[in-house]
Amino acid sequence: ETGVTQSPTHLIKTRGQQVTLRCSSQSGHNTVSWYQQALGQGPQFIFQYYREEENGRGNFPPRFSGLQFPNYSSELNVNALELDDSALYLCASSPETWDDEQYFGPGTRLTVT
Amino acid sequence: RKEVEQDPGPFNVPEGATVAFNCTYSNSASQSFFWYRQDCRKEPKLLMSVYSSGNEDGRFTAQLNRASQYISLLIRDSKLSDSATYLCVAARSGGGADGLTFGKGTHLIIQP
Repeated sequence: ETGVTQSPTHLIKTRGQQVTLRCSSQSGHNTVSWYQQALGQGPQFIFQYYREEENGRGNFPPRFSGLQFPNYSSELNVNALELDDSALYLCASSPETWDDEQYFGPGTRLTVT
Repeated sequence: RKEVEQDPGPFNVPEGATVAFNCTYSNSASQSFFWYRQDCRKEPKLLMSVYSSGNEDGRFTAQLNRASQYISLLIRDSKLSDSATYLCVAARSGGGADGLTFGKGTHLIIQP
């Protein structure tokens, strides 16, 4: 069984730029959720994708957007990067949207300068 | 008020001791609860789900008190490898569409 994978591992961007982060869900899982974890904080829910549709969203502005593909992999896009967007971005997958048990990938560490 | 609150610690505990963490949640609509473990600069890993009846997994025991909106984790015979941050989690709905709500985590250091 393949676990959740994310790419890239690390990324450095400049304020105002755009970034795309990628996630492959665990085998057999059709639901992907994205979280932002700032230093010293717990992960914060950004949004969830189920069967290629956004299924729920946390308190993040529209410049955070996403996609899910037919193979259930997903992308997180962030436009107009701000310094406060520097964080660990975590992708989690679950077998179905009604499953609360979520399994996390290793994350992408984004630094905005 | 934060939805899930934990004592950030750090808890410095000698190897072999028993340590307990508590966490409170504010949203009474929360239905599912978990403890995750997170090592430094790594992803959170699911440690265990938490049920009202209490559940045990080896040296770890988790308990939920819905009336007090309180979750606990007990670690017995602590090992050096238990050193990590422990994240308390509540989920509002039976599905994941509202996401998991994490506390800030409790930092545990097991000392030899």
